[in-house]
Formats: sequence, structure tokens, C-alpha cells
Amino acid sequence: DSGVTQTPKHLITATGQRVTLRCSPRSGDLSVYWYQQSLDQGLQFLIHYYNGEERAKGNILERFSAQQFPDLHSELNLSSLELGDSALYFCASSVEGQGATEAFFGQGTRLTVV
Amino acid sequence: AQSVTQLDSQVPVFEEAPVELRCNYSSSVSVYLFWYVQYPNQGLQLLLKYLSGSTLVKGINGFEAEFNKSQTSFHLRKPSVHISDTAEYFCAVRALSGAGSYQLTFGKGTKLSVIP
Repeated sequence: DSGVTQTPKHLITATGQRVTLRCSPRSGDLSVYWYQQSLDQGLQFLIHYYNGEERAKGNILERFSAQQFPDLHSELNLSSLELGDSALYFCASSVEGQGATEAFFGQGTRLTVV
Repeated sequence: AQSVTQLDSQVPVFEEAPVELRCNYSSSVSVYLFWYVQYPNQGLQLLLKYLSGSTLVKGINGFEAEFNKSQTSFHLRKPSVHISDTAEYFCAVRALSGAGSYQLTFGKGTKLSVIP
């Protein structure tokens, strides 16, 4: 158990809909990273939040957004869903700074858009 | 920016045989290097990491990897594989500097299939 909790584990929704994925980081970790794993793109970094503030963006679509709340949990919002958004979405948490040595991953949320 | 190349997308190997999964990286700054394993329908589990010091690092489940700076490689090895090692393996790098963000850059993954 990595200590990172993601809910829900599975999500099936229709095209055009909006969903919210939730991530609770390990106790004490201020950073949350979101990644998307798809068959064609592999594992790609989406966005990084640190202590409530956006720190970096990767290959995140404009239809996607995220936030990190005062209790440090994070939500990834996906809207106007398309079939191609079907993927496994991971979050990872980390102690931050140059002393950070690894990120801990949740079990992921498998999103299926039909 | 960093990039990671995993040279083999699939590696079949017989049980109890040795295996090497190859990984090369490219980066203009110093990096940390990682190998993660993903079992079917599971999340990512850290196998091992190279931060500094000895270039040979040992991880869980009998895996080890060797960092070669001149070759910019970080190949993963196991002397004798077991059926339970069947999984997908990802090599990843994490930059040591940047705008305060240390996201991982992953390779495309290598699917290891252990044949009984």
C-alpha cells in the first residue's frame, strides 16, 4: 500500500459528459502529480500541484482541469469527454524539493468513455 | 527536457532464465532514475531507484539495475525470472532541477512474459 488513495477505481460514462477523479496523497506530502496512461500515448504527465498551487503543466487538454484543496487532496476534472479520453489516470504524491527521491502512486482510476 | 527510450516493447523469457530490460535516457541536467513495475490491472510499484553513489542498485524481488553515465543507460536485470515476474516494466527519469516541479518522464514500457 503506497498510502495514496484514488477514487473511484472504475468509471464508465458517455461522450460529452464531465467526471471528477479524486486523489488523497500520503500523509505529509504536499505535491500531487497527475498522469494519464493510454495505449497509444503511454504514461504522460498531466499536471502538478504543490500545497494548493499549480506548479507545472504537461500534456493536459484544455477540457481537463485540476485543483488541490486545503486538506491537500486533489481532483482532476475531465469535461466534454471523448472516446479517446478512455485511459487509466494515476496520481502520485511526493515530498518536494531537490531532496525528493521518489513519487508514490495510487492504484489509478480506469475511465471508460462510451 | 528529458526523454526515455525502452528498446524492447516485449520480452519473452523462459522461467529461471536471466533477463535484461534495456533503458536509455536523454537529459541536459542530472536526473534520478527509476524502474517501476505494473502488474495486470494494478498501479505502479517502485522496483528500484538510482539517486547517486554506487552505480549498481538493488531493488525488490531480486531485480537490480546498473547506471552507466557514459552510455546514458539504466538497464534492469534479474538472474532468474519467475512466472510472477510477468508484468509491464517502466523506466523513468526525474530531473534534479527545474521550476520546482519534478515530474517523471516515462518510457513506453516493456512487457515481460515469463514462459513456464
